[in-house]
Parts: sequence; structure tokens; C-alpha cells
Amino acid sequence: DAKTTQPNSMESNEEEPVHLPCNHSTISGTDYIHWYRQLPSQGPEYVIHGLTSNVNNRMASLAIAEDRKSSTLILHRATLRDAAVYYCILRDFLNRDDKIIFGKGTRLHILP
Amino acid sequence: NAGVTQTPKFRVLKTGQSMTLLCAQDMNHEYMYWYRQDPGMGLRLIHYSVGEGTTAKGEVPDGYNVSRLKKQNFLLGLESAAPSQTSVYFCASSYEEGQGEAFFGQGTRLTVV
Repeated sequence: DAKTTQPNSMESNEEEPVHLPCNHSTISGTDYIHWYRQLPSQGPEYVIHGLTSNVNNRMASLAIAEDRKSSTLILHRATLRDAAVYYCILRDFLNRDDKIIFGKGTRLHILP
Repeated sequence: NAGVTQTPKFRVLKTGQSMTLLCAQDMNHEYMYWYRQDPGMGLRLIHYSVGEGTTAKGEVPDGYNVSRLKKQNFLLGLESAAPSQTSVYFCASSYEEGQGEAFFGQGTRLTVV
């Protein structure tokens, strides 16, 4: 399984943009890049995913490097509610044995 | 639409007791997963299933068994609970490999004394 590397923690000020990086240098051509987040005392929730092109949804944007070896989750205007652990995960769309493996993620602290 | 429902939400077991955790999803998803999360740690995959009647081992399968007799249900069993199995357990389901969004339950907090 391809692995991802994320910083252990990051801080950001409320109402400012946040850029959460993820390195995945061994990514394969059939791996989707997924992001999930886990708010305190809750189960993880889906944020966004993409393959090659940048993606936007109501929660965030995903910027994928041209060589796909890294990606960045962008929260355009952080709120206190965005304080959570963010996980970057690779999932192979051609692999029927699709295990969703979590790393340690990045703990995002939002400063008021 | 209930999504993913875990039963029970809390449980205290004595060492050596057995129990079954139930995960139910109403989204007709093929894939289902069981994870455990220890304090301050990420989620670790225990077992998973790629379809009705199938199960497979994840990262930390020892001490647990699973069954997927019906597509909508994924059961996690502890035959002889140990204090090391004290954890929060999360279930998840996903429609398809690779692209499908995974949905998670709210967790079961299990304490083994």
C-alpha cells in the first residue's frame, strides 16, 4: 500500500486560509488521494478526493502536484470548528482489495 | 437515511468475557471496515469486507473475529476480552474501491476491566 507523510501538527489563525500538506512519493497511477478529518470525540468524516486535477467542494479545495507526489488540502477560511485531525489517504480504484489505511494525520489547531 | 449505525455505543466488559459489536449500513455499500482507535492515536484497521460473505484481516486482527452474513451488517466479535482491547471502535462503509466516499459510525467505547 502506498504511504503518505503529513506533519504531526499545524496552527492557524481563525478566518485565515490553511494549507495542509501531504507527501505521497510512491503513489501509483490508479491511486485516488482522499482527505478525511476527525473532529474531537467523533468518527472521521469525508472531506474531498481527487485523482489528477484540482478539486473544489463546499468544505475545501484539493491541490494536486503535477507529478502527483504531493497534495495540499486548502481550507479557505478556517473556523474554530475546523480544529481536527486531518488524514491524507491513498485508495487504488483498480484494487478490489481496498483497505482504507490511516496514518497519524495532522492535528490542526485554530487560534481565535 | 441513518447511514452507519454502531451498537452499542458504550460497554464495560470483564476480562475473559465475550461480546459482539454490530455495524449496520443502509446505503447498499459493498465495503465495510472495523477500526480501533487508542487515545491520541490514529485509526488502525482490524478487519474488513469487500462484499457479502467475505472478510479479510487488516493491520491488527489478533483477538477479533468478524462476519458479514448480510450485506448491510458487519459484526465484530471479541471471544475473550483483554484489557489491551480497551479502545474506541469505529465502523465504516464505502460503495466502491478507490473512489467511493467512506462513511463512519459514531464509535463504540469499550472498556475491559
